[in-house]
Amino acid sequence: KAGVTQTPRYLIKTRGQQVTLSCSPISGHRSVSWYQQTPGQGLQFLFEYFSETQRNKGNFPGRFSGRQFSNSRSEMNVSTLELGDSALYLCASSPGGANTGELFFGEGSRLTVL
Amino acid sequence: GENVEQHPSTLSVQEGDSAVIKCTYSDSASNYFPWYKQELGKGPQLIIDIRSNVGEKKDQRIAVTLNKTAKHFSLHITETQPEDSAVYFCAAGYQKVTFGIGTKLQVIP
Repeated sequence: KAGVTQTPRYLIKTRGQQVTLSCSPISGHRSVSWYQQTPGQGLQFLFEYFSETQRNKGNFPGRFSGRQFSNSRSEMNVSTLELGDSALYLCASSPGGANTGELFFGEGSRLTVL
Repeated sequence: GENVEQHPSTLSVQEGDSAVIKCTYSDSASNYFPWYKQELGKGPQLIIDIRSNVGEKKDQRIAVTLNKTAKHFSLHITETQPEDSAVYFCAAGYQKVTFGIGTKLQVIP
């Protein structure tokens, strides 16, 4: 069974630009969650989508947004990039939801903002 | 919302010794406590989890204990091996899990 796939793996942007990251969950998983990982802050929850609906949202500004498609693939978008947005963005999928059991993480998309 | 504190942030042990990582949580409604291991360049992977109706769970060399009254839970790794070197995250929650800041474990051969 294929794991969670995130693309792109690495990207470099400049301040003010916007970026879109993609996540393909494990087949059959309906929940996709996004996390931001930085050295000083650990894993911070961005949002969770279940069956195309945002089910939970973390404490991030409105510049961070996401969506989920009917095939459960998900995208997250960050607009008007800031230097502090440099981080590893992790996507995790699960069959039922982020609270019901194991999260299966992808390897992440490392974003560098210059 | 939930707040999870994790200690220590770094931990070095000799191969064969035990390692203990401790976490506290703030929301008494939390009922799910997973532990994840993240190796360099990879995403976190679940190694063990415990629910609030259980006080202890063991899987080979790893064990987790939960004290709901004190809102503490801990990860214990016995007979550590070099391949245990990684970053370990605790988490707690019920509708969504909140992660601790992580513990970088180094096992010295």
